[in-house]
Amino acid sequence: KAGVTQTPRYLIKTRGQQVTLSCSPISGHRSVSWYQQTPGQGLQFLFEYFSETQRNKGNFPGRFSGRQFSNSRSEMNVSTLELGDSALYLCASSQESGTLSEQYFGPGTRLTVT
Amino acid sequence: QKEVEQNSGPLSVPEGAIASLNCTYSDRVSQSFFWYRQYSGKSPELIMSIYSNGDKEDGRFTAQLNKASQYVSLLIRDSQPSDSATYLCAVNDYKLSFGAGTTVTVRA
Repeated sequence: KAGVTQTPRYLIKTRGQQVTLSCSPISGHRSVSWYQQTPGQGLQFLFEYFSETQRNKGNFPGRFSGRQFSNSRSEMNVSTLELGDSALYLCASSQESGTLSEQYFGPGTRLTVT
Repeated sequence: QKEVEQNSGPLSVPEGAIASLNCTYSDRVSQSFFWYRQYSGKSPELIMSIYSNGDKEDGRFTAQLNKASQYVSLLIRDSQPSDSATYLCAVNDYKLSFGAGTTVTVRA
């Protein structure tokens, strides 16, 4: 079974621009969560989508948004990029939503904002 | 207070030894706990999940959970150079909350 895929793998953007990242979950998985990883803050939860609905949201500004499609694929958008948005963005999929679900990570998208 | 705390590293162990990693969490009602391994430049890989008090063994890995003490640990037996990585403890409270990670180096 194929793992979680993310595109693109690397991105370089300029401050003020916007960016869209894509995530395809493991086949049969209906929940997709997004995380930001930086050396200073570690891994932080952005949001979770399940059945095209946002289930949970972390403490990030409204510039960070996402959505999920009927095939469970998910996209994350960051508008008005700031230098501090440079990070590894990871998505993770699980079969179901909830506290007992095991989450499997994709390879990540490395975003650099200049 | 951080939600999930791990023992500070780095941790250096000789090949063949046991590496012991510790993690404490703040929310008493947490139900599920995970250990991820992350190699440098790679994404986290799930290696263990544990939901009940006690020990859970999978190959050379043993996870231990004590909900009364809000403590979860990971033992790596017969450590190999390929075990050199950062190990992340995570608690699932409708989202994964991660510790800062402990970097393990297994020296030959």
